[in-house]
Amino acid sequence: GENVEQHPSTLSVQEGDSAVIKCTYSDSASNYFPWYKQELGKRPQLIIDIRSNVGEKKDQRIAVTLNKTAKHFSLHITETQPEDSAVYFCAAMYSSASKIIFGSGTRLSIRP
Amino acid sequence: DGGITQSPKYLFRKEGQNVTLSCEQNLNHDAMYWYRQDPGQGLRLIYYSQIVNDFQKGDIAEGYSVSREKKESFPLTVTSAQKNPTAFYLCASSPRDREAFFGQGTRLTVV
Repeated sequence: GENVEQHPSTLSVQEGDSAVIKCTYSDSASNYFPWYKQELGKRPQLIIDIRSNVGEKKDQRIAVTLNKTAKHFSLHITETQPEDSAVYFCAAMYSSASKIIFGSGTRLSIRP
Repeated sequence: DGGITQSPKYLFRKEGQNVTLSCEQNLNHDAMYWYRQDPGQGLRLIYYSQIVNDFQKGDIAEGYSVSREKKESFPLTVTSAQKNPTAFYLCASSPRDREAFFGQGTRLTVV
């Protein structure tokens, strides 16, 4: 069945350094890949997304890349700040069924 | 004020009881979803619905049931067949081929 794998499960980086989170998906029919940030006790919120006809998208300090051939997509956060500490989830949408499958999450900690 | 509303925020269930979690959206979204989140875990799909009067099982549907009688509403019933129901439940909705918007969640505890 459809599956999204996410790595690493935890990530600690020095403030100001970059963080990279990687995901792979199983269904080649997936065509939409959102990323969510979830702070403690709160709902997940969309931070960036990418569609399958685009290889890279950037929004200020956040960027997402997609390799359709390898079925990989990654989140890049540059110049990390304390407020970036949260759990990040990747997801893949199987648009034929409007089905959204999430990765297992990455807990990102920013060290001062 | 548009959005997706879950109620209650906290819910306590005795063993053997069925409970229903409410999810309402006024965003005119076609699709709605229920996810379960355990401590330190990801979001696992329970059920989803693309249109009214139609829904599909997700990866962990056993012990749960849903209905979609109205576009705005997608209630989730946690039945007594669900052996380990204590978790954080998140409802979401999305327009076609777009991101999901989440409710505030319901924290269910078995007492």
